[in-house]
Amino acid sequence: AQSVTQPDIHITVSEGASLELRCNYSYGATPYLFWYVQSPGQGLQLLLKYFSGDTLVQGIKGFEAEFKRSQSSFNLRKPSVHWSDAAEYFCAVGVRADGLTFGKGTHLIIQP
Amino acid sequence: NAGVTQTPKFRILKIGQSMTLQCTQDMNHNYMYWYRQDPGMGLKLIYYSVGAGITDKGEVPNGYNVSRSTTEDFPLRLELAAPSQTSVYFCASSSPFNLELSGPTGELFFGEGSRLTVL
Repeated sequence: AQSVTQPDIHITVSEGASLELRCNYSYGATPYLFWYVQSPGQGLQLLLKYFSGDTLVQGIKGFEAEFKRSQSSFNLRKPSVHWSDAAEYFCAVGVRADGLTFGKGTHLIIQP
Repeated sequence: NAGVTQTPKFRILKIGQSMTLQCTQDMNHNYMYWYRQDPGMGLKLIYYSVGAGITDKGEVPNGYNVSRSTTEDFPLRLELAAPSQTSVYFCASSSPFNLELSGPTGELFFGEGSRLTVL
C-alpha cells in the first residue's frame, strides 16, 4: 500500500528566510506526487505536481519541489517566505482511481 | 466558476441524528471523493466514485453511505451520528490525466469543506 510521511508536524520560519518541507513516500512504482496548501478554514489548493520528466517542478506562489527517486522524497522549497505562506501543507501520492493518499501535514508558522 | 460546492458549511447534530452532506461539481469530472480531516491526522478517504452508479469504500467508510446517481452530485449520508464523526468533511473531484491507466492521475479539486459537530 502507498503511504506518505511528513516528518515535521510544525515548522517555524522567519519572514524572508528559505523554506524546505520534507515528504517521503512509499510506493511500488513511480508515483504521481502532489503538494497541497490549506489556509485556515479553507479547502485544499494544489501547489504543484510531479508526473514524469524533469525532477524539479515549479508551482504556484513561488514554490518548487524536487523528486528524488533514490531517497523516495519529494521535498517542497521556497527561497523566501512571506507571512501569507503561513498555512498547512500536505504532500500526497496517488495513481489509482481510489484517490490520493495524504501525509498528516506540516503546519508552517511565519515569524515577523 | 463554481468548481466543487459543498453544503452545509457548518452543522451541529445530536447523537443518533442523521444528515446528508451535499456535494456537486460542474467540471464534468468522472471521479469524486469524500475525505474527512481530523487534527494532526491528515485526510482520510471515506468513499469514492469512478462514475455515475459506481461507488466504493475508502479507508474509513463505517457510519457513512454514498450514492452517485448523476455525474455532478455525490452526497454523503451520515446515519445515527456519533461523536467520533465530528470532523471536517471535504468533497473532491478529478478527471483522468492519462486515459491509458486505470484511474485518475490528475489533481483533485476540493470543496471548501463542511464542519460537522456531533454532541
